[in-house]
Amino acid sequence: AQKVTQAQTEISVVEKEDVTLDCVYETRDTTYYLFWYKQPPSGELVFLIRRNSFDEQNEISGRYSWNFQKSTSSFNFTITASQVVDSAVYFCALSEAGATDSWGKLQFGAGTQVVVTP
Amino acid sequence: KAGVTQTPRYLIKTRGQQVTLSCSPISGHRSVSWYQQTPGQGLQFLFEYFSETQRNKGNFPGRFSGRQFSNSRSEMNVSTLELGDSALYLCASSLGLAISGLETQYFGPGTRLLVL
Repeated sequence: AQKVTQAQTEISVVEKEDVTLDCVYETRDTTYYLFWYKQPPSGELVFLIRRNSFDEQNEISGRYSWNFQKSTSSFNFTITASQVVDSAVYFCALSEAGATDSWGKLQFGAGTQVVVTP
Repeated sequence: KAGVTQTPRYLIKTRGQQVTLSCSPISGHRSVSWYQQTPGQGLQFLFEYFSETQRNKGNFPGRFSGRQFSNSRSEMNVSTLELGDSALYLCASSLGLAISGLETQYFGPGTRLLVL
C-alpha cells in the first residue's frame, strides 16, 4: 500500500507566485520523520527539510515553509515567490522507526513536477 | 565536505550481462542505502548497509545484491540484466548513529543504467 501520497502530478506557475505541494502519509508508528527532497533535471535528490513526528511546529526557512498536521496526516510544503530555478520534481518521503525492516528506508511519494515560467 | 559520489554516471549494457555500481558516502557516514528510480514505479528502496552488514532489503529479486567495505564505500550488483532494470540508481548516505534508524539521507547524483 502506498504510504506517501502526492496527489498533484504537475503544478505550473509564473515566477513570483507561491507554490504549495501537498503530501499525505500513512503510518502506524508514533515515531517517524518526514522529508521533502528536490530533484532537478540532473537527477540528484537534494534534501530540503525534515520534520519529526513529535514536532508539529510549522517553520519558515528562507522561501520554504511547511505545514505539518498529524491530525490529518499531512505534510505540505510551500515555496514563496517562486523562481525559475525552483523548477524540479519535489518528493515527500517518510522514514519510520518501527521494525528492523524500516532501517535506512525512505518511502517516497510519486513526486510533483513544478514548472516555473518567467 | 565532499558529497556522495557514484560511478559510473552512465552505463549501457545488454540483456543478460551483469553490472556493478559504486557509491562513496560522505566522509564519516557509515550507512549507505540504495534506491531504484523508474518512471513506472518511482523511487523504490533496494537495500541498506551499515558497518559492512546488510540491515534491510527491499522487495527486489535476488539478482540485485550489494556489499559494503570497511571504508563504508558500497557497491551494488545486478546480474542477468533485464530490460526492466533500466533505471536511475541512487545511493544515499547517513551517519548511521541513530538508534531509531531515523536520520537524514544525502543522495549522490545517481547512475543511469540503460539495458538494451
